[in-house]
Amino acid sequence: DIQVTQSPSSLSASVGDRITITCRTSQAIFNYLAWYQQKSGKVPKVLIYAASTLQSGVPSRFSGSGSETDFTLTISSLQPEDVATYYCQTYNRVPFFGGGTKVEIK
Amino acid sequence: EVLLVESGGGLVKPGGSLRLSCTISGFNFNDFSLNWVRQAPGKGLEWVSSISTSTTYKYYADSVKGRFTISRDSAKNSVYLQMHSLTVEDTAVYYCARDHPDGVVPDTIPSFFDYWGQGTLVTVSS
Repeated sequence: DIQVTQSPSSLSASVGDRITITCRTSQAIFNYLAWYQQKSGKVPKVLIYAASTLQSGVPSRFSGSGSETDFTLTISSLQPEDVATYYCQTYNRVPFFGGGTKVEIK
Repeated sequence: EVLLVESGGGLVKPGGSLRLSCTISGFNFNDFSLNWVRQAPGKGLEWVSSISTSTTYKYYADSVKGRFTISRDSAKNSVYLQMHSLTVEDTAVYYCARDHPDGVVPDTIPSFFDYWGQGTLVTVSS
């Protein structure tokens, strides 16, 4: 099975900061990676798919990059409403999720 | 409006069985693969199972293989998850999720998930 490692597991940043979350896979997956946001008590919402394609309706401050085994999710200017846990998910074969990154505001 | 509504969760003893249902509306049921994803309390997301539109392709996570069975009924616009031999490790909120068609091989290999239900809680406890 593929291993999906997200880092950091949590982070605290100030409003307006640029933050980056990393997802590393144990096998090359081309660009078959999605990112989700899950706010407390809510259902996950897809932000990005195909590593860098923004889902319709998602603010442009969110961006994704990477390929094969190393991927990043970037929030260019952190907003209070971005407080959430973020997950990456591979879909080159059966899906696997990363362990999540909890984002908080300082 | 796209809606996925899960039901069937509840409290069950270890070794017991439960059948979850997910009824969809707002899109053509026969056009999309469907999935079950679970989340244990305070934990991350775990994909559980997927079924293609024709039911030809069914996939299961290793953690549930041989115990869970996924099925779908187009007459009822519903997908099901039959769960047997439940253990405390199966305690989770179970979400039904729609497959996005932009996957590796659409309607064959599970993709990412663009719509989710609100989930149904399964608690396995003696």
